[in-house]
Amino acid sequence: KQEVTQIPAALSVPEGENLVLNCSFTDSAIYNLQWFRQDPGKGLTSLLLIQSSQREQTSGRLNASLDKSSGRSTLYIAASQPGDSATYLCAVTITGTASKLTFGTGTRLQVTL
Amino acid sequence: EAQVTQNPRYLITVTGKKLTVTCSQNMNHEYMSWYRQDPGLGLRQIYYSMNVEVTDKGDVPEGYKVSRKEKRNFPLILESPSPNQTSLYFCASSLGTGVGNQPQHFGDGTRLSIL
Repeated sequence: KQEVTQIPAALSVPEGENLVLNCSFTDSAIYNLQWFRQDPGKGLTSLLLIQSSQREQTSGRLNASLDKSSGRSTLYIAASQPGDSATYLCAVTITGTASKLTFGTGTRLQVTL
Repeated sequence: EAQVTQNPRYLITVTGKKLTVTCSQNMNHEYMSWYRQDPGLGLRQIYYSMNVEVTDKGDVPEGYKVSRKEKRNFPLILESPSPNQTSLYFCASSLGTGVGNQPQHFGDGTRLSIL
């Protein structure tokens, strides 16, 4: 059974700092990996999607990497801002499971002034 | 605007009183699914649908029903709600399975409290 783990569970950094969020998964037979952002009282917003054949994806200040062989992904946030404060979730789609997402429990990020 | 709309956003009800949470998407997506989110457990899939009239169980389907009579709508039905179904529910949709690895779009969530 696929298990997805995110460490740390919570993180507080000062504004302007670069930071890395970690995601690990137990079964490397994934179709893709997606990073989401969840704001309090809101749904999930897709940030980046990495296909299993890709190594990384970039969007603005965000860069996500994928290492299938080691079962790891990282989300790098450059020059963090208070508006980046949210919970970040990673989720994998397992090959042959019809787009079902298996989620980690998230990292709650707070960027302070 | 492309979106997934859930209603209601909040509901407090009592054990045994049937309820339906509606989900509608305006992106002509084939794939729709329901998740519940609980502290310490993350999001878990309840049911999914690959197209009209095609539905299947996810990881935690007990106590729930779904239907997919139209492409845009995917309601979640709790025939006899119980307190252990108190949770935050999300509906999601995507273009289709294996279609260019399309990302999934989520609604804003429905917070259910079953007393």
